[in-house]
Amino acid sequence: DTGVSQDPRHKITKRGQNVTFRCDPISEHNRLYWYRQTLGQGPEFLTYFQNEAQLEKSRLLSDRFSAERPKGSFSTLEIQRTEQGDSAMYLCASSLLGTGLDEQFFGPGTRLTVL
Amino acid sequence: DQQVKQNSPSLSVQEGRISILNCDYTNSMFDYFLWYKKYPAEGPTFLISISSIKDKNEDGRFTVFLNKSAKHLSLHIVPSQPGDSAVYFCAASDAGYALNFGKGTSLLVTP
Repeated sequence: DTGVSQDPRHKITKRGQNVTFRCDPISEHNRLYWYRQTLGQGPEFLTYFQNEAQLEKSRLLSDRFSAERPKGSFSTLEIQRTEQGDSAMYLCASSLLGTGLDEQFFGPGTRLTVL
Repeated sequence: DQQVKQNSPSLSVQEGRISILNCDYTNSMFDYFLWYKKYPAEGPTFLISISSIKDKNEDGRFTVFLNKSAKHLSLHIVPSQPGDSAVYFCAASDAGYALNFGKGTSLLVTP
């Protein structure tokens, strides 16, 4: 399968713990995005990378959140000192800049539950 | 502030009939619109898109219509099939990266 993959698929943690999620984009895609989706809502943009550069961050991305894409391939999203309000589905997407319309392809998501 | 609105949380259609899903937006700077389909426990799957220079785009059973003056777009599925039952999200972009999503419409296609 050459689609976007995310690991883990599910994470349960206690409030105050740190968690890290990984995203592997489609191999030739140079843009990578993180979104968050809560119950009854559509995905909300968090941040995106073009190659290894983080070019935009949403105001939703508080200082407890950090994302990296060190070599322009896979990306990690870390949440420090988790809070119950962080419980959500975290979605990663990738796209190929320069192909005209910038269609984003999503992974299956990581469902985070903070107890 | 929700810039992309899907005002119908759910829609039920008989198999073989047309499904019409609607979406309104408020930001006149949006220039690219997409529809995604989502099954439970999966990420959204890209269906079809349209740029603001067009008013219609068709791909098989799926057609998207864009009315820029009304800031409205719709997705038509003809004929509807039971496998089309899913949540459909409308999304829009004004800068080529962040997608702004609606809350989704849950489509149920009954045999």
